Amino acid sequence: GQNIDQPTEMTATEGAIVQINCTYQTSGFNGLFWYQQHAGEAPTFLSYNVLDGLEEKGRFSSFLSRSKGYSYLLLKELQMKDSASYLCAVMDSNYQLIWGAGTKLIIKP
Amino acid sequence: GAVVSQHPSWVICKSGTSVKIECRSLDFQATTMFWYRQFPKQSLMLMATSNEGSKATYEQGVEKDKFLINHASLTLSTLTVTSAHPEDSSFYICSARTGDAGGLFFGSGTQLSVL
Repeated sequence: GQNIDQPTEMTATEGAIVQINCTYQTSGFNGLFWYQQHAGEAPTFLSYNVLDGLEEKGRFSSFLSRSKGYSYLLLKELQMKDSASYLCAVMDSNYQLIWGAGTKLIIKP
Repeated sequence: GAVVSQHPSWVICKSGTSVKIECRSLDFQATTMFWYRQFPKQSLMLMATSNEGSKATYEQGVEKDKFLINHASLTLSTLTVTSAHPEDSSFYICSARTGDAGGLFFGSGTQLSVL
């Protein structure tokens, strides 16, 4: 079956760095997405990786290793507003998105 | 990035009434749109996949006669919750894809409360 795993919850300190991991097993691979979702709001797009390596975009970076079925989202210089759920999703061979359950990130002062 | 507009943001209705939610892609043509629901503190659950000009594909356990989806054009999909009941109260979110391998962009969501 298809499966996306990410931690349920993480806690970090304001100003620090946090890495949210995502492992996947899917039928084919056409890219991996990271989304941020604040409570009561729709997800917002953060990143898309289809090739191995690190993609940096401001304070957020996303890494992909297709051979390991692994990705991480790296958040630097954490701010209180980064408290949210972070969703990992993989597009399979049928171009369907398989979603992880999300990682709730709690930022403490 | 691409913009997806979803309307309304909030709906409060009486049990037994029908509610229509619209999802529009504003600056791109979306051949495929998706409808999700999300209960508090839970992950997104895909309800159905909507392709322009054809019938929607519903996920297992989703009643197609209750959740009517119409994808009449490349920029508009609607979800109608027919004869809504309190257990249908949820956060409904649409998304649209710019192509087979394109990005997926979300509407702002609709919070439905059925009294």
